[in-house]
Amino acid sequence: AQSVAQPEDQVNVAEGNPLTVKCTYSVSGNPYLFWYVQYPNRGLQFLLKYITGDNLVKGSYGFEAEFNKSQTSFHLKKPSALVSDSALYFCAVRDDRDDKIIFGKGTRLHILP
Amino acid sequence: DVKVTQSSRYLVKRTGEKVFLECVQDMDHENMFWYRQDPGLGLRLIYFSYDVKMKEKGDIPEGYSVSREKKERFSLILESASTNQTSMYLCASTPPTGFLSKTQYFGPGTRLTVL
Repeated sequence: AQSVAQPEDQVNVAEGNPLTVKCTYSVSGNPYLFWYVQYPNRGLQFLLKYITGDNLVKGSYGFEAEFNKSQTSFHLKKPSALVSDSALYFCAVRDDRDDKIIFGKGTRLHILP
Repeated sequence: DVKVTQSSRYLVKRTGEKVFLECVQDMDHENMFWYRQDPGLGLRLIYFSYDVKMKEKGDIPEGYSVSREKKERFSLILESASTNQTSMYLCASTPPTGFLSKTQYFGPGTRLTVL
């Protein structure tokens, strides 16, 4: 069965510093991996995805994520955090043989001015 | 741009009422999903649908039913609302299985309070 874990409930980063939001996954087949962001009182917005190809994926708002097959991880990163990046971030995984997507529990990111 | 709309942003109902949450997408997507979002639990799948009149139970279907009479519309029904169904409900849609991106497009959410 597929699963995804976000080990940190909350991450605090000072503005201008690099940020990392962690995600690990487990699937039977090949993974499709996603990051979504949710701002207060809004639905989820797609940030980036890994399907195949380069392990470093670039997405919206300057975010990127690195697919690491040996560590089964897909951590979200940004070189320099902005206060406006403060939001709830969800990692998600789908097995390539299934339409069902599994979401992590979410990580709340606080960027401190 | 794909647009997924939900009929209400905020809804307050009483215990025992029948509640309908409507979701409409305008991109001719085959797949539609209903999730509930609760603090510390993330998103949990209630039901999903691959096609008109087709539905599959997700992880937490108890107390819910769904209806997909038209391709663009997927309704979530609470037959007899209970206080533990107070939550944020999110609808999503995706293109069919063969489409590689498989990105989910989400509606804005409906915050349901059951008193």
